[in-house]
Amino acid sequence: DTGVSQDPRHKITKRGQNVTFRCDPISEHNRLYWYRQTLGQGPEFLTYFQNEAQLEKSRLLSDRFSAERPKGSFSTLEIQRTEQGDSAMYLCASSLDGDLYGYTFGSGTRLTVV
Amino acid sequence: AQSVTQLDSQVPVFEEAPVELRCNYSSSVSVYLFWYVQYPNQGLQLLLKYLSGSTLVKGINGFEAEFNKSQTSFHLRKPSVHISDTAEYFCAVRAPSGGSNYKLTFGKGTLLTVNP
Repeated sequence: DTGVSQDPRHKITKRGQNVTFRCDPISEHNRLYWYRQTLGQGPEFLTYFQNEAQLEKSRLLSDRFSAERPKGSFSTLEIQRTEQGDSAMYLCASSLDGDLYGYTFGSGTRLTVV
Repeated sequence: AQSVTQLDSQVPVFEEAPVELRCNYSSSVSVYLFWYVQYPNQGLQLLLKYLSGSTLVKGINGFEAEFNKSQTSFHLRKPSVHISDTAEYFCAVRAPSGGSNYKLTFGKGTLLTVNP
């Protein structure tokens, strides 16, 4: 296992289009997190899964955002009707249950809305 | 809730000089503390962490950090930097496990630029 994989690495979309990102965590990790990072800022928490259950959502996650982890393995993050303010790096991370360590992050998906 | 303040947005240094990147946190409960490094167009890599015990923590790439509870600080240090240390550094905090306390709260980052 080579770590957390995110696809695509870059996405350019027109305003109003829908986009979907995929995250494949480390296989034995049951916790999965999505963060958003805008220019000049640290990552901000979006949502968190334990296995297939979505346990917490940030208020940053508007109704246009939805995340799933259908079988407790990979996860998808969909943004509907994209806006220019959605342009950011979307980071996925995973960890083990009862984990006392930092997460393992993927390389991120950079979204540009034009 | 926790918050993190990284006191310097940019730190330029010369190669082989020592460096300190400052981090202060705020929390009503005990916390775990982390430093991450991010190279351009990449995700975050864990440098080191403080969970409990010795307040001086050693990490990868020759970095170390010292937890100071009274000053609520967790400053990152390296005695001699290399060009390859040029990157963005993030301090992060989380509450000990339990409930919804698994999320990390990050500072805004410090861009370390090492010049020849």
